[in-house]
Amino acid sequence: GENVEQHPSTLSVQEGDSAVIKCTYSDSASNYFPWYKQELGKRPQLIIDIRSNVGEKKDQRIAVTLNKTAKHFSLHITETQPEDSAVYFCAAYSGGGADGLTFGKGTHLIIQP
Amino acid sequence: NAGVTQTPKFRVLKTGQSMTLLCAQDMNHEYMYWYRQDPGMGLRLIHYSVGEGTTAKGEVPDGYNVSRLKKQNFLLGLESAAPSQTSVYFCASSSTGPYGYTFGSGTRLTVV
Repeated sequence: GENVEQHPSTLSVQEGDSAVIKCTYSDSASNYFPWYKQELGKRPQLIIDIRSNVGEKKDQRIAVTLNKTAKHFSLHITETQPEDSAVYFCAAYSGGGADGLTFGKGTHLIIQP
Repeated sequence: NAGVTQTPKFRVLKTGQSMTLLCAQDMNHEYMYWYRQDPGMGLRLIHYSVGEGTTAKGEVPDGYNVSRLKKQNFLLGLESAAPSQTSVYFCASSSTGPYGYTFGSGTRLTVV
């Protein structure tokens, strides 16, 4: 099955700086890569996603890039703000059946004032 | 429109006890999923359903059973709880499979 590795496990950045979280996947058939944000004690929420026919997608301060050849994708957050502090999960879906997303282990992003 | 509702929100069980977690959605979604979240482990798929009356195993199904007798409800059962099942359980539903989950607020289960 699919295996998703996520790095780093913890990332601390100064407010206003950029943050980058990286994920690799194992199944070359994977074609959908979402990112979820989970604030402390809350449910995960989808913040951005990308499909395998696209190399980059942006939504205001967040962007996701995909390198299919290397089988890795990254989340970029620019001009970080205190409300960006959360755990971020990447995920992948191979589309081979009806089963669900395979998630990475998460990155705890800390925005230092 | 409540979205995805999980009950209970918290529960403490003794080893060997049984319980059922309920996930209810009011969005007429076909797909429903149960995940467990453990520190440093991310979210791991336990079981899922692609429609009323269907269920299938995910990555970590051992010790759990599920039922989807009604489209809006997806039940997760623990027949004989073990300390290793201490976790936060999240239910998710979707109209398009993995393309956009709506998660419930979670159930924090402690087995002592």
